[in-house]
Amino acid sequence: GAGVSQSPSNKVTEKGKDVELRCDPISGHTALYWYRQSLGQGLEFLIYFQGNSAPDKSGLPSDRFSAERTGGSVSTLTIQRTQQEDSAVYLCASSLEGWAAPAEQFFGPGTRLTVL
Amino acid sequence: QKEVEQNSGPLSVPEGAIASLNCTYSDRGSQSFFWYRQYSGKSPELIMFIYSNGDKEDGRFTAQLNKASQYVSLLIRDSQPSDSATYLCAVDSGGYQKVTFGIGTKLQVIP
Repeated sequence: GAGVSQSPSNKVTEKGKDVELRCDPISGHTALYWYRQSLGQGLEFLIYFQGNSAPDKSGLPSDRFSAERTGGSVSTLTIQRTQQEDSAVYLCASSLEGWAAPAEQFFGPGTRLTVL
Repeated sequence: QKEVEQNSGPLSVPEGAIASLNCTYSDRGSQSFFWYRQYSGKSPELIMFIYSNGDKEDGRFTAQLNKASQYVSLLIRDSQPSDSATYLCAVDSGGYQKVTFGIGTKLQVIP
């Protein structure tokens, strides 16, 4: 079946512009995650969705970052007034809801964001 | 701050040797441990998970967990050049579905 998809694959924007990144999880996966990975760095957790609600937004770097999920499916990550330090690969992952423990996360191909 | 620590490497091993990748974690309450592999320019993919103390084997891969020492490792036997990648350790953060990733260890298998 189809995996996690993300769009766009690449985004180049000017400092101060807003950007919107999209994630389509695997059908039936209730959990959805956003991560950020800078060059040579590990995965930085941004936000987690369970269905349409976000019980953990603790990783969002500032109030310029927001995310929503609708219909328990598609999610969008919005970055307002982008800064050069926002340049990174933004990864989305989805998983089934494990009954007692985290389940395997399936990652999308990522969106490479470059802020000039 | 719940932490997952890995040596960033690179770890270089000759083809056919055993590669040993290590990870320590700070949260004694963690119950689930994952190893993801990430090829350069690609997304992470799960290769192993382990929940119980001891060893878990899957083909050439063995995950080892020692909760008392808060230590999890990944052994790759008969290493191949195609195993060259960054290996990310991930540990559950307790409470729900969130995991914390380590920085990853870059493995280079030399032909």
